[in-house]
Order: sequence, then C-alpha cells, then structure tokens
Amino acid sequence: EIVLTQSPGTLSLSPGERATLSCRASQSVSGRYLAWYQQKPGQAPRLLIHGASSRATGIPDRFSGSGSGTDFTLTISRLEPEDFAVYYCQQFGTSPLFTFGPGTKVDIK
Amino acid sequence: EVQLVQSGAEVRKPGESLKISCKGSGYSFTHYWIGWVRQMPGKGLEWMGIIYPGDSDTRYSPSFEGQVSISADKSISTAYLQWSSLKASDTAKYYCARYHPFYCDGADCTLGFDYWGQGTQVTVSS
Repeated sequence: EIVLTQSPGTLSLSPGERATLSCRASQSVSGRYLAWYQQKPGQAPRLLIHGASSRATGIPDRFSGSGSGTDFTLTISRLEPEDFAVYYCQQFGTSPLFTFGPGTKVDIK
Repeated sequence: EVQLVQSGAEVRKPGESLKISCKGSGYSFTHYWIGWVRQMPGKGLEWMGIIYPGDSDTRYSPSFEGQVSISADKSISTAYLQWSSLKASDTAKYYCARYHPFYCDGADCTLGFDYWGQGTQVTVSS
C-alpha cells in the first residue's frame, strides 16, 4: 500500500511570499498519476496540477508542480490572499487505487 | 459546462439505510469514471471507491469495501453511494468527482479528479 506524506503540516507565510509544499510517497509513483488539489473552507476540492507538473484548466501560472519517483513538490511562486487554503497530493495506480496525502495548510502569518 | 450535482443533506439514525446521488451533465457520462470521497469533520480526503458508468466496472478502497455500495444509472447520468446500516462514524461530507479513463493519453487527458460535486453532508445521530 502506498502512503503519501505531506510536509509541513502547516505553512505560515505572508502574501507575496513563495510557498513550497512537499509530498513524499512510500514507494515510487508514476508522475503521470500524481495530482495536487486546493481546498478552501466549506468548498469542494479543486484540481490544480495533474501529471505531477501540468496545470489544470484555468489555474494561474504562479502554481507549479515538479518531482518524480517518491518526491513531489507544489510551488506557489507568490502567494495571493485567495491561496491560503489546504493542499492535498493524490496518487493513482497502486492498491488502494487512489490515495490522498494528509494535506498541508497554508495560513497567513 | 460540466457539472456534478449532488443530492441534499441527510440526517439519519444509526442502523438506517441511505442512498445519495450525483448527477452529471455537460459531458458524456458513460465515458468517465465517477469517484466518491469522504471528508470527516475537520479531517482530510479519503478515497472510497469509483465506478465507470459505461460498463458499471466498480473498484473500492479496502477501507470501504463491504461498508458501502457504489452504483450508477447511465440512463439518467447519475451515480449513487449507498449504506445499508449507517453508523455514527459515517457522519461526514461526501463528494463525487469525475476522473478520466485511467490510461488516457493526449491533450484532453487529465489524470486527476477534474470536476467535483458540491458535497452531501450526512449526519448519523440517535
């Protein structure tokens, strides 16, 4: 069973700063099947990144994804006020078929 | 416009049954998977299972197999999540979400849950 670990649990930053979020897998994951989501309070999650580095439709270019194997990163180049939220990574491919990480909360410093 | 519209909030007693729904529109319902995701109060996302309405191929997370049942009626573009005997620990928000064919390729292939329903709050309390 693949386990996804996200760090840090909480990231306290100011608007305009750069955010770097980590997602580590217990076994190698195909980058093709690694995705990132944003969730704001009271809202459904929103797909940000798929295929480890491809932005979903309508996602601003301040969001970028990278990584391969067991280590993946979501970077927000300059935080906007609307970016303060919880971010989840997710993999497809190994039992269980889908796994979500526990999330990283990005809050305002 | 692609939309997934879920049924409304439900309150049930332990031991009761429940079926919630997720209606897709704006796309070919039979050509994409529909997954179900649980979010317990204040917690993260948990994948429960997924169905391909075109042929009803259904896969479950080991954590939820035997606890819930997933089905779909392609004639009305609707997927369902069902419990036969609810527990208080089933209290959560449940989301449906669309996923492309697992081994798709090409410019339109998006290997993530790209559209989500608004969520259905299920409260189980005596």
